[in-house]
Amino acid sequence: QVQLQQSGPGLVKPSQTLSLTCAIFGDSVSSNNAAWNWIRRSPSRGLEWLGRTYYRSQWYSDYAASVKGRINIHADISTDQLSLQLNSVTPEDTAVYYCARELSFYRGGWSTFFDYWGQGTQVTVSS
Amino acid sequence: QSVLTQPPSASGPPGQRVTISCSGSTSNIGSNSVTWYQQLPGMAPKLLIYNNNKWPSGVPDRFSGSKSGTSASLAISGLQSEDEADYYCAAWDDNLSAWVFGGGTKLTVL
Repeated sequence: QVQLQQSGPGLVKPSQTLSLTCAIFGDSVSSNNAAWNWIRRSPSRGLEWLGRTYYRSQWYSDYAASVKGRINIHADISTDQLSLQLNSVTPEDTAVYYCARELSFYRGGWSTFFDYWGQGTQVTVSS
Repeated sequence: QSVLTQPPSASGPPGQRVTISCSGSTSNIGSNSVTWYQQLPGMAPKLLIYNNNKWPSGVPDRFSGSKSGTSASLAISGLQSEDEADYYCAAWDDNLSAWVFGGGTKLTVL
């Protein structure tokens, strides 16, 4: 059974960096059929995909245009941990942040979906 | 403004059938499969439907999905009080190279 355990501060000051960690149990961050994502939910935007990283003989990352340039997602193979750094935060970055596993498999066609999620971390950006 | 468009709310009495629509474009729903997620208050989203109409293990067949062209829908039959939640559709967008979500539909069981 896969479990994702999130940790990190719930309050960040404007212009500072939001940093969250997601510990992965029951799978590996370098799995060849998974990608590791960060997604957030806010009252104004609903669910918003932020980005992902995955390993397919080398590491790849994709980021949402809305946060590109401010975001970094890193996977640590030695600890099976995923991290999120979001720089220069504003109150608009206030949200519940989730890490999620994106599973892909082929069975007569490709299937891809988010099947396991972390518990969520409420992050408030305020001075 | 979400890339995928959902109605903000839906409702129905217990035992009724409701449908939630999700409208996109050729670069997302028109080209890729749709997934649906249920989010209960205070909980993480839960996978409900994948590949437009397939159930993950443990999801009751009261929930069903369909897709036609650039639109998809989720149907919930035999409404139960525990179905009160927010429902989101999602698809990969080839133009944006990103996952896109609908704005979410809040389901109320009257």
